[in-house]
Amino acid sequence: DIQMTQSPSSLSASVGDRVTITCRASQSINSYLNWYQQKPGKAPKLLIYAASSLQGGVPSRFSGSGSGTDFTLTINSLQPEDFATYYCQQSYSTYTFGQGTKLEIK
Amino acid sequence: QVQLQESGPGLVKPSETLSLTCTVSGGSISTYYWSWIRQPPGKGLEYIGNIYYTGSTNYNPSLKSRVTISINTSKNQFSLKLSSVTVADTAVYYCARVSYGGDRNYYSYMDVWGKGTTVTVSS
Repeated sequence: DIQMTQSPSSLSASVGDRVTITCRASQSINSYLNWYQQKPGKAPKLLIYAASSLQGGVPSRFSGSGSGTDFTLTINSLQPEDFATYYCQQSYSTYTFGQGTKLEIK
Repeated sequence: QVQLQESGPGLVKPSETLSLTCTVSGGSISTYYWSWIRQPPGKGLEYIGNIYYTGSTNYNPSLKSRVTISINTSKNQFSLKLSSVTVADTAVYYCARVSYGGDRNYYSYMDVWGKGTTVTVSS
């Protein structure tokens, strides 16, 4: 199966900052990469699919890039509601998720 | 808009079978894939498997020997059975819809999720 590795595992930032989260696949997955946001006690929410396509209703400060094995999720101008845990997921073969990146307030 | 709701026992004894149902409302279960995902306490997300409305299934290889996912299109429901459970199967279990989009609709993603249901394995 394809392993997904996110970095960092946790991250502290301030409102207004720009942050980048990285996801690396153990083999090429083309652009078959999704990003989800999860807040405590809530179900994950889809942010980005196909590596860079913004899901409807998701603010434009979220963006995704990459292909092959290396991907990034960027959040511009962090808002208070963005502090959450973020997961990448590959959909190239049987789904696997990264271990998550917890974004905390500095 | 489509909504998903998980239901089933919150407590299961070790070695028994965990059974959950996901009810789809606000839309038809047909023409989509439907997934089960779980999250142990304090840990990340784990894909369990999915089912197409035709009944075709795909399972996580690490769970395949214990998992059965089925669908009832007349009730707009799909179900999960996980046999021979242990404490390691304690988790929040989510159901989700799988949609396709992007270039030539090749790319799949989970765009609608249930709220999740907590299942504890304990004697």
